[in-house]
Amino acid sequence: GIQVEQSPPDLILQEGANSTLRCNFSDSVNNLQWFHQNPWGQLINLFYIPSGTKQNGRLSATTVATERYSLLYISSSQTTDSGVYFCAVDNYGQNFVFGPGTRLSVLP
Amino acid sequence: DTEVTQTPKHLVMGMTNKKSLKCEQHMGHRAMYWYKQKAKKPPELMFVYSYEKLSINESVPSRFSPECPNSSLLNLHLHALQPEDSALYLCASSQERGRQTQYFGPGTRLLVL
Repeated sequence: GIQVEQSPPDLILQEGANSTLRCNFSDSVNNLQWFHQNPWGQLINLFYIPSGTKQNGRLSATTVATERYSLLYISSSQTTDSGVYFCAVDNYGQNFVFGPGTRLSVLP
Repeated sequence: DTEVTQTPKHLVMGMTNKKSLKCEQHMGHRAMYWYKQKAKKPPELMFVYSYEKLSINESVPSRFSPECPNSSLLNLHLHALQPEDSALYLCASSQERGRQTQYFGPGTRLLVL
């Protein structure tokens, strides 16, 4: 099945810093989503982005489907950005597979 | 409204108990999903229902039994669980299976004693 990798596994930032999270996948996909899981376990949709670039406030994402990777940018990070960031992909209805996640800690 | 609700929020059960987890959405979505998430791990797909029919069962043990009574409801019946089944159980829905945004509920934290 499709493999999903994320880097870095852990990231510690000072409040106000910028960061880039990466997701690599091993096969073509027709669905790619970025999620933020808060400390209570709620998975929050950030982006549905199988290709192209999107922005939402301080967050933006880019997926280069032909090169099989996606990037999530967080600018001017806040303590409330802490949590685990997952990318998840679907390769044409076979399965919806999550990457291992990036654990982000933003320090005040 | 992009809300998926799950009940109960927490559940403690013994290995001989029978219990059910419930999930509901009113977004008109025709695909619904159950995931299991162990601590410090990503969610793993268990079941997918598409138009109220089971379309994916990821080799889940028979002590987990899904049910989709209608297009808005999804149940997960639990029987004779093991302590290693303790986890966060997440429900999700999407407009159709595959090429659509999945929306997740808050999850049920299950502890099996």
